[in-house]
Amino acid sequence: NAGVTQTPKFQVLKTGQSMTLQCAQDMNHNSMYWYRQDPGMGLRLIYYSASEGTTDKGEVPNGYNVSRLNKREFSLRLESAAPSQTSVYFCASSNRPRGLSYEQYFGPGTRLTVT
Amino acid sequence: GESVGLHLPTLSVQEGDNSIINCAYSNSASDYFIWYKQESGKGPQFIIDIRSNMDKRQGQRVTVLLNKTVKHLSLQIAATQPGDSAVYFCAEILPQGGSEKLVFGKGTKLTVNP
Repeated sequence: NAGVTQTPKFQVLKTGQSMTLQCAQDMNHNSMYWYRQDPGMGLRLIYYSASEGTTDKGEVPNGYNVSRLNKREFSLRLESAAPSQTSVYFCASSNRPRGLSYEQYFGPGTRLTVT
Repeated sequence: GESVGLHLPTLSVQEGDNSIINCAYSNSASDYFIWYKQESGKGPQFIIDIRSNMDKRQGQRVTVLLNKTVKHLSLQIAATQPGDSAVYFCAEILPQGGSEKLVFGKGTKLTVNP
């Protein structure tokens, strides 16, 4: 049981490049989330998926897209990376049947730098 | 700005002492609060939660207190150990148009000195 896994762990992009961050969970959770964490700030929700087949915007969705590929996987895509997207990205999952949830399990994070 | 915040960005304690980490929130409609611990280079880890109809909840070496009158939340760690050194975040659940929103505070960095 690996919990929540994320790939890659580190990534450097040039402005304008695109990439997809991958997330998978093996806990059979319904809900999955993407957050970003900037220095001196708490986590901010980018997008979430309350169940397979649904996605909703969080607090800071601009510049990102997501795909809930199946119950296990939730990917985050940057179509045209900007320096403002330099951050640490965390994926999380929870088992609340609808909406956001409380006890969220987090992955180890992806450290992204955009130059 | 964020409705959830912290009074102190850093806290330094001696090993064996009790630690108290504070959090203020501004939305009286929030009905659920959570504390997370984040060690360096890792994702946040759930510690304890409390519903708004409770004043106190205890876990293993941790206690969360909720004062709804002054919209204040605290996390108490008993007999603090070096392994408790981390950044601690409070988070609140805000009802939002039929859905809910989880809002994190900025975090308090706890350092435990041997």
